[in-house]
Amino acid sequence: DTEVTQTPKHLVMGMTNKKSLKCEQHMGHRAMYWYKQKAKKPPELMFVYSYEKLSINESVPSRFSPECPNSSLLNLHLHALQPEDSALYLCASSQDQATGIEQYFGPGTRLTVT
Amino acid sequence: SQELEQSPQSLIVQEGKNLTINCTSSKTLYGLYWYKQKYGEGLIFLMMLQKGGEEKSHEKITAKLDEKKQQSSLHITASQPSHAGIYLCGADRGTSYGKLTFGQGTILTVHP
Repeated sequence: DTEVTQTPKHLVMGMTNKKSLKCEQHMGHRAMYWYKQKAKKPPELMFVYSYEKLSINESVPSRFSPECPNSSLLNLHLHALQPEDSALYLCASSQDQATGIEQYFGPGTRLTVT
Repeated sequence: SQELEQSPQSLIVQEGKNLTINCTSSKTLYGLYWYKQKYGEGLIFLMMLQKGGEEKSHEKITAKLDEKKQQSSLHITASQPSHAGIYLCGADRGTSYGKLTFGQGTILTVHP
């Protein structure tokens, strides 16, 4: 089973709202990732968690707050977002945070900020 | 400038035709990943190449990494409408573990 699940599938939120994106995997992977993908652009890495600890933060604005409550779950808390934050948010996981290891992606959450 | 250049940007072929997508890097690649994406959906892992000269195949898709590890090609034999989508190459530079950077993608359309 190489499945990564993400909820919700779609999310519309106002600029003053607080919402969360969720990601889950049951493959025993110890590294989890958040990517942001704008329309017609490739995914861009936002955060990496390794063994439930934040390993990489690609200078993401503080209005995005990641959380890894356990090895199977990854959340992305959203607060005071801007319309330009509208994008497809992809979660991925891999066996470990190392070079040469494939990352498996979830279906994404389509976020629209109004 | 892009770290990874994919060509062509888009490709329209008739079903049954062969096609090749290229991914070129100006720097040595420690890992080269090929993914397929349907519009607005997640990425499907296809193959990963690490060694210079390496070649892998899955069903009708073959990927190669050149000896200098700076260019990869993805070849589809006898294309089918199910092959349509966006093909992305991703690079692992070995400097920041787990960090993949992607090319701009190649949009493949296969007409039945």
